[in-house]
Amino acid sequence: AQSVTQLGSHVSVSEGALVLLRCNYSSSVPPYLFWYVQYPNQGLQLLLKYTSAATLVKGINGFEAEFKKSETSFHLTKPSAHMSDAAEYFCAVRDPSQYSSASKIIFGSGTRLSIRP
Amino acid sequence: KAGVTQTPRYLIKTRGQQVTLSCSPISGHRSVSWYQQTPGQGLQFLFEYFSETQRNKGNFPGRFSGRQFSNSRSEMNVSTLELGDSALYLCASSSRKQGDTQYFGPGTRLTVL
Repeated sequence: AQSVTQLGSHVSVSEGALVLLRCNYSSSVPPYLFWYVQYPNQGLQLLLKYTSAATLVKGINGFEAEFKKSETSFHLTKPSAHMSDAAEYFCAVRDPSQYSSASKIIFGSGTRLSIRP
Repeated sequence: KAGVTQTPRYLIKTRGQQVTLSCSPISGHRSVSWYQQTPGQGLQFLFEYFSETQRNKGNFPGRFSGRQFSNSRSEMNVSTLELGDSALYLCASSSRKQGDTQYFGPGTRLTVL
């Protein structure tokens, strides 16, 4: 069975500071991993995804994530936070070897990112 | 390419009524999935359609149903609305060519009074 854990339901950083949002997964096979961002009353927007190619994945809006198999982690980072980054972020995991069904995608509980001026 | 669109964006209903939500996927995407998002339960999978066939269903009561049309557009219906059905309903589409990555619409905010 797969699972995903996002450490910290709320993270607050100062504008210009490093953003680090943590995601740990559990999977019996090398997974596909995703980060999504959700702004208030909006849908989820794909930030980046890992599908077994390069372990360092670059996404939109200056975000990147590194797949670390030994740590079963896929943390999201951004060197310098901007006010517009304030949103909720979701990590998701899918077993690529199974039938590609949406029911097999496991979403984390989300991390709300706040940016202090 | 236009993204996933959902209509209406906001809806207010009263208990006992029924509601139909609509979703138009990204052009070329044949798979459409529906999710319910609430503060307490997070994102929960409702069902998935592919080529007009429901191929998976989440753990929701039979009041929740859906369908997909030949042009891949999808609708979901909730009958006999309850207060607990108040949520953001998200639709996502995907295609095998894009690795089955879920692309989400803006959602429909349903409020049940």
